Amino acid sequence: QVQLVESGGGVIQPGRSLRLSCEASGFPFSRHGMHWVRQAPGKGLEWVAVIWHDGNKQQYADSVKDRFIISRDNAKNTLFLQMNSLRDDDTGVYHCGTSGTGWPYHGLDIWGQGTTVTVSS
Amino acid sequence: DIQMTQSPSSLSAFVGDTVTITCRASQGIKNFLAWYQQKPGKVPTLLIYDASTLQSGVPSRFSGSGSGTDFTLTIGSLQPEDVGTYYCQEYNSAPLTFGGGTKVEIK
Repeated sequence: QVQLVESGGGVIQPGRSLRLSCEASGFPFSRHGMHWVRQAPGKGLEWVAVIWHDGNKQQYADSVKDRFIISRDNAKNTLFLQMNSLRDDDTGVYHCGTSGTGWPYHGLDIWGQGTTVTVSS
Repeated sequence: DIQMTQSPSSLSAFVGDTVTITCRASQGIKNFLAWYQQKPGKVPTLLIYDASTLQSGVPSRFSGSGSGTDFTLTIGSLQPEDVGTYYCQEYNSAPLTFGGGTKVEIK
C-alpha cells in the first residue's frame, strides 16, 4: 500500500546537524514531487521544503533557507532533509508528504506519520 | 511571500449546525488552495484541493469555494467526528504557506 515512513529524529543540541529520511513505497516515487512539513508542539502546520521529482529543483521556507537541504535518491525511493545549524524553534514533528498527482504544487494527500526532532541543550 | 489568514481561530457549534471557515490570501492565488483536517494526535488529511474539489473519500458535507484571495470551507452538518483543527494551504507559489488553523469543537 501507499506509505511514507520517516526516520532520523531525536534530541539534538542547538547548532548541531541532523539528517531525516523518508522511505516511500506503493507509488512511483521517482515521478512525485516531495515535501517536508513540520509542526511545533501545540502549534500549526509549517511547510518546510519541496523537491521536484527529478531532484533538479528545490524550494524552501524562509525560516530554513540556507540551513536545510532537501534531497532525494530515486533509486532507493528515499527523501532526505539535512538540517544544519539547528535552533530551538526547529523543534517539532517532521512529516514528509506528496500529492497523488505527483505534481509538486498540489494538495498533499499522502503523509507519513512523522519523526520528532527536539533541539535542546 | 503570500500570507494566509484563517478565521476564526476557534469555534464551537452544535451537532447538525453548518460551520464556515474562511481563509484569505495576501495576494491572488487563483484557485490553488487546499483544505486539511487534523484530528487530535493524528496526521493531517486532505479534504479539498483546487479550492472546491472534494478529495476522494471525503464526506459530501464538506465543501469549498472561492478564488483569488477569499476562500471558504463549509461543513454542511457538523458531526462529532469532525472535531479537530482545519488548515488552508496555498500552492500558487513557494513558500506553500499554511493558514494558522481553526479549531472546531462540539457544544
